[in-house]
Amino acid sequence: ETGVTQSPTHLIKTRGQQVTLRCSSQSGHNTVSWYQQALGQGPQFIFQYYREEENGRGNFPPRFSGLQFPNYSSELNVNALELDDSALYLCASSPWNGDTQYFGPGTRLTVL
Amino acid sequence: KNEVEQSPQNLTAQEGEFITINCSYSVGISALHWLQQHPGGGIVSLFMLSSGKKKHGRLIATINIQEKHSSLHITASHPRDSAVYICAVGRGATNKLIFGTGTLLAVQP
Repeated sequence: ETGVTQSPTHLIKTRGQQVTLRCSSQSGHNTVSWYQQALGQGPQFIFQYYREEENGRGNFPPRFSGLQFPNYSSELNVNALELDDSALYLCASSPWNGDTQYFGPGTRLTVL
Repeated sequence: KNEVEQSPQNLTAQEGEFITINCSYSVGISALHWLQQHPGGGIVSLFMLSSGKKKHGRLIATINIQEKHSSLHITASHPRDSAVYICAVGRGATNKLIFGTGTLLAVQP
């Protein structure tokens, strides 16, 4: 059974650019949640996708958007990057939204 | 005040010691999660519990719903247990996780 994978591992962008991060869910999981973890902080919930629909959103601006595909893989898009967007971005999949979440290794984004 | 509080923030132990990490929360929850994060970022789910006690190997997690308190215990600690241990609570229809700030555990040989 393949676990949750994320790509890329590391990414460096400059202010104002756009970025797309990708997440492959664990097999059989139809729910994906995205989290942002700033250095030295706990992760913060960005949003959740369930069966290709956004199913809840945290306190993040609209320039953070996402997609979930029919195979339940997911993308996180961030437009107009700001320096404070530098963080580790984690995705987590679960077989349904009330179950244990399985985390990917994360994508470390640096905005210069 | 954070909705999820952990203590201690940092913990240093000698190999073989019994370790306890505490978590208190102030909101209604669907479940409480204990997670482990190693340097470099990867997060592993250790336990999800909504009542009582769970045990996996040397790890034990307990929760008291009335007191809104949970503990993670590590018996016979080992240097490979060194990591950040995070308490998180599931909230709402999405079961979104609200995380505590974590406890950095260092187990010395």
